[in-house]
Amino acid sequence: ILNVEQSPQSLHVQEGDSTNFTCSFPSSNFYALHWYRWETAKSPEALFVMTLNGDEKKKGRISATLNTKEGYSYLYIKGSQPEDSATYLCAFGGSNYKLTFGKGTLLTVNP
Amino acid sequence: DTGVSQNPRHKITKRGQNVTFRCDPISEHNRLYWYRQTLGQGPEFLTYFQNEAQLEKSRLLSDRFSAERPKGSFSTLEIQRTEQGDSAMYLCASSLGGSYNSPLHFGNGTRLTVT
Repeated sequence: ILNVEQSPQSLHVQEGDSTNFTCSFPSSNFYALHWYRWETAKSPEALFVMTLNGDEKKKGRISATLNTKEGYSYLYIKGSQPEDSATYLCAFGGSNYKLTFGKGTLLTVNP
Repeated sequence: DTGVSQNPRHKITKRGQNVTFRCDPISEHNRLYWYRQTLGQGPEFLTYFQNEAQLEKSRLLSDRFSAERPKGSFSTLEIQRTEQGDSAMYLCASSLGGSYNSPLHFGNGTRLTVT
């Protein structure tokens, strides 16, 4: 059974704070690491797909890094806004073309 | 709207009844996935199709669950003799090619409640 762990489980920050979450995954048989944002009453939306060790991706105020040798990825949000409130999911892609998801980090940004 | 569409959005059924959900993927996507999410958990893989071929089925999927994707277009997920433990959000997603570089595009899900 693949273990994909996300921490923290939940996080409350004030508007304007910067924050980061962690996703840890198996360091063997790695093919891809995905990040998704899931807002309440909406469908999960892809943020990043990363495949190479050392990858760094950025989309507006959100960025992510990848370390496949040690099996972790960080997601950073700079200057959090209330609209960033959502569950952030990471997913590990192995050789079998399916993604194994973590339980997610629930972010609440207070105005 | 060219996104992934799932119907119905909500389904309440009595234990022992059969239910069927439908997913219409993005038209040019050849891969289609079903996931299930319960409270406090991330989405759990159930099965996936490449075109009309069902390539993998999770051990979570008992014999009461069956999925089809006729002609490689829409897909249906049927649960026979529902149990209370089947209550969950059922998510469908599609992608172009394999998951390595292709993000999944999810539908809004079907929330099943078994009473």
